[in-house]
Amino acid sequence: QITLRESGPTQVNPTQTLTLTCRFSGFSLTTDAVGVAWIRQPPGQAPEWLAVIFWDDDKRYSPTLKNRLTITKDTTSDTVVLTMTDMDPVDSGTYYCTHTPRLYASDTGSHYPGSFGVWSPGTRVTVSS
Amino acid sequence: DIQMTQSPSSLPANVGESVTITCRASQDIRNDLAWYQQRPGEAPKRLIYSASSLQSGVPSRFRGGGSGTVFTLAILGLQPEDFATYYCLQHNTYPPTFGGGTNVE
Repeated sequence: QITLRESGPTQVNPTQTLTLTCRFSGFSLTTDAVGVAWIRQPPGQAPEWLAVIFWDDDKRYSPTLKNRLTITKDTTSDTVVLTMTDMDPVDSGTYYCTHTPRLYASDTGSHYPGSFGVWSPGTRVTVSS
Repeated sequence: DIQMTQSPSSLPANVGESVTITCRASQDIRNDLAWYQQRPGEAPKRLIYSASSLQSGVPSRFRGGGSGTVFTLAILGLQPEDFATYYCLQHNTYPPTFGGGTNVE
């Protein structure tokens, strides 16, 4: 059974860096095509994909946030860490991590993202002084 | 980015009624689309993957359809637990993008 749980601060000050940790079980980030993604959801709004890291250390970032995001993995502790710099009140919301596959399109010979099957419960982050 | 336009944003309905939600992609995404249900205070839950495949454990009253740029989620005979917000997600191209949501109320 796949489970994920995120941890981190519930409140950060503007301009500070947010660091969130996702601990998972039921799968390994050393397995081919496996990844962990981060998604956030501002209050009352749709979810927004942030970043993903795969078993081979392939990383993808949201184009609008890529300058502020870093995603890393630790396969010995089964954790994925997301850092987001220069936090602003508009970054407030619930942050989730999810299990996701990397898919392969045989017609184009390229990889593309999978959907998000199992989600963490979510952690609410408020950016305010 | 691929834009996902979901309609309607709000859908009044009663128990027992059947409803349909539509998602339109700004470009062809084949069948790389999933549907999610989200209840207040909970994480989104995947209902449908690959546009029309039912997630294990999800009731068969949920039906997904479509391909290319137009997709639908039908709920046949609403149950009390189905009153929630529904989102579509395209995962054909980075970045994956969600529709704006439909609140079935």
